[in-house]
Amino acid sequence: DTAVSQTPKYLVTQMGNDKSIKCEQNLGHDTMYWYKQDSKKFLKIMFSYNNKELIINETVPNRFSPKSPDKAHLNLHINSLELGDSAVYFCASSQSNRRNEKLFFGSGTQLSVL
Amino acid sequence: SQQGEEDPQALSIQEGENATMNCSYKTSINNLQWYRQNSGRGLVHLILIRSNEREKHSGRLRVTLDTSKKSSSLLITASRAADTASYFCATDAIGGSQGNLIFGKGTKLSVKP
Repeated sequence: DTAVSQTPKYLVTQMGNDKSIKCEQNLGHDTMYWYKQDSKKFLKIMFSYNNKELIINETVPNRFSPKSPDKAHLNLHINSLELGDSAVYFCASSQSNRRNEKLFFGSGTQLSVL
Repeated sequence: SQQGEEDPQALSIQEGENATMNCSYKTSINNLQWYRQNSGRGLVHLILIRSNEREKHSGRLRVTLDTSKKSSSLLITASRAADTASYFCATDAIGGSQGNLIFGKGTKLSVKP
């Protein structure tokens, strides 16, 4: 009964491939996020969706395309993977996108591009 | 752009001691939050302090906020080995997109038994 679950946990792939990471939350939250954590542990927001609508897109290359089929799911598709895409990707959710909301995070997907 | 900067980057203490971590930020905020990340895991929310609050407690955690100095501190009292983790502050900046928390790089805390 994990609150925010993302799959896969590990993803090892070759440069140039296309891959997807899936995320689901069972908290009934309206808002979901993708964050990227680099090797220095710096965590940066990539996207945010509220009720399936894109509300934050933080200068992420258009090789990254989020898709929210419903408000419980936010998947991340990455085309033409590059070495620099290697990182840990975290999905998160919050009750809403109003102020003073806390985030609930998944356990992360470690992406290694070779 | 990065908003929060935690200090120190790493902290090693003995079980039972108190641990203090600091966070400085650059712009005015609506609130500041602290999260914990155990190795290989996602972040877990610890505490949220609003810009009009100066201090907040939750169990062994005490958070202070000084908006004039644009800084916050997280104190963990009577630390335990299980407190070993990285601790991040995150700010909700005034003028920023709603829901857009900006995280610092974290303080890695090691509590030795």
